[in-house]
This record gives sequence, C-alpha cells and structure tokens, in this order.
Amino acid sequence: AQTIHQWPVAEIKAVGSPLSLGCTIKGKSSPNLYWYWQATGGTLQQLFYSITVGQVESVVQLNLSASRPKDDQFILSTEKLLLSHSGFYLCAWSTDYEQYFGPGTRLTVL
Amino acid sequence: AQSVDQPDAHVTLSEGASLELRCSYSYSAAPYLFWYVQYPGQSLQFLLKYITGDTVVKGTKGFEAEFRKSNSSFNLKKSPAHWSDSAKYFCALENTGYQNFYFGKGTSLTVIP
Repeated sequence: AQTIHQWPVAEIKAVGSPLSLGCTIKGKSSPNLYWYWQATGGTLQQLFYSITVGQVESVVQLNLSASRPKDDQFILSTEKLLLSHSGFYLCAWSTDYEQYFGPGTRLTVL
Repeated sequence: AQSVDQPDAHVTLSEGASLELRCSYSYSAAPYLFWYVQYPGQSLQFLLKYITGDTVVKGTKGFEAEFRKSNSSFNLKKSPAHWSDSAKYFCALENTGYQNFYFGKGTSLTVIP
C-alpha cells in the first residue's frame, strides 16, 4: 500500500526566515506529485506539480519554489517567508486521475 | 478560463435526510471532475471522479455524483445522510492533460443527529 508522509507536522517561523517542507511517498513508483496551499478555512490552491525526478512545473507564483530530488521526494521551499505564506500545505500523489493527499504541514508565519 | 463554483458555503440537514451539494464548473473542453472531503483538522480524502462514460458515478462512503453537461454541474448526493458525514466538501476540476487542478471554495456540511 502507498503511504505519504509530510514533515514537519507544524512550523512557526518568523517573517523573512527560510522554509523547507518535505513530502515522501512510499509504495508507488514514479508518482505524479503536487503541492497545494490552503488558507485557514479556504480552498486549495495548487502550487506545483512534478511528473518525474528533476522536473517541476509551477502553477502559481507565491514566492515559493519546489524540487524533486528523488523519485519519492518532493520539497517545497523559500528563502524568505512572508506573512501571506501562513496556511496548510498539502502534498499529494495521483493515480488514474485520483489524488491522494498527505496529512499536511501547518505553517504559521509571525 | 476554468473555474469551479460551489454556491453553498454551508448546508445543514438532519440525519436521515437526503443531501445534495452543488457544484458548477466552467471549462471549454470535456472536464475531469472530482469530489473530495475534508474532516476538521485533517487532510483531504478522495470521494469520486467523473472522467468519461456514465454520468452518474459512485464513490466511497456511499456518495454518488451526477455529471450534467447541459448545465455544467456535478452535484454530490447521498441518501440517507449520517452525522459522520459532517465535513467540508470540495469539488475540483482538472485542466485536462495539464496536471492543473482547480478547487471550489468548499461546502461545509453539518448533519444534525
């Protein structure tokens, strides 16, 4: 069975500080991977997707970047956090058009 | 441009009643449509999808949805509703073949026991 893990579970960071969020998928070879951002109580905004190692496509510009260093790993990062980056970050993988989401990372920027 | 609209921010009904959550979309091509559920404090779970074929699709947890091209809708249904169905439901559309997904604002469902 496939499992998806995100780290950390939660972060409290200062404005202007760097950020790195991670996502690992086990049990699925060469998955399509996605990053989403969800404001508190809001909808999901897709940020990035990746079909293969080393290739990441940006969907929306939010002063964030993503990388896929391994087949089963997806990283979201920024060098300088903004207040507007606060929210819930979700990683997902897909099969047969169905997306399966990780548990998420809750980010608070102060 | 593609978009998804869920016109009802909140829906409240009694346990045992039938539920129908509305979703309409705007997309120039044949849409791929989805419903997801989010329980409080949790991530999203896949419920069902429409890709092609039968316009009524069945999913997990006893839900089904009907795709209506005539009015660009993809409403989620379940009968009877159970208190455990209380959650936030998101309708989504994929920009077919481009790996871009658009989510509606969600409908918060409360089922009163």
